[in-house]
Amino acid sequence: DTGVSQNPRHKITKRGQNVTFRCDPISEHNRLYWYRQTLGQGPEFLTYFQNEAQLEKSRLLSDRFSAERPKGSFSTLEIQRTEQGDSAMYLCASSFLGSGGYTFGSGTRLTVV
Amino acid sequence: SQQGEEDPQALSIQEGENATMNCSYKTSINNLQWYRQNSGRGLVHLILIRSNEREKHSGRLRVTLDTSKKSSSLLITASRAADTASYFCATVPMDSNYQLIWGAGTKLIIKP
Repeated sequence: DTGVSQNPRHKITKRGQNVTFRCDPISEHNRLYWYRQTLGQGPEFLTYFQNEAQLEKSRLLSDRFSAERPKGSFSTLEIQRTEQGDSAMYLCASSFLGSGGYTFGSGTRLTVV
Repeated sequence: SQQGEEDPQALSIQEGENATMNCSYKTSINNLQWYRQNSGRGLVHLILIRSNEREKHSGRLRVTLDTSKKSSSLLITASRAADTASYFCATVPMDSNYQLIWGAGTKLIIKP
């Protein structure tokens, strides 16, 4: 297991297009988190899963955003009808409930032009 | 929402000096964690300190926690150019279902 993997690393898309990101967590971890980060800011929570159940969604997550974690393994985050304000780094992290620190992936940088 | 506030926002020191960053938070916590982020990359977990602990060490890192003042500090001793990064504190509030609440970070620059 080489840690949390995110794909793609970079994505440039035109406004109005749909994009999908993938996250492969550490296999032993039962929690998976999605965050968004803009320059000079800390991560903003978007949503998290415990196993395959999506337990919480931030108010930041408009109806254009949807996340899935089928079978409690990898997760996808889809943004429909992208807007320029969606440009950010999208970070995925995983953890084992109660064990402490999160392990982050390297992120997917989205640029909406 | 962001609970932690790091201080200072930016810090520039000479290689070999010690760097101290502070974090304040608002609610009672289960634990507090420090992370490092190199430019354009993901975050790396550095150290976790639980609410019943006052000090913790890991290599050149020393973290303190004062729950009465709701504050923590991260000390990096004998800084190196490779320590240049942004440092974030994140708290797990009590009764939060183990979710992290993040500050805005301290940008540390180590001058060679």
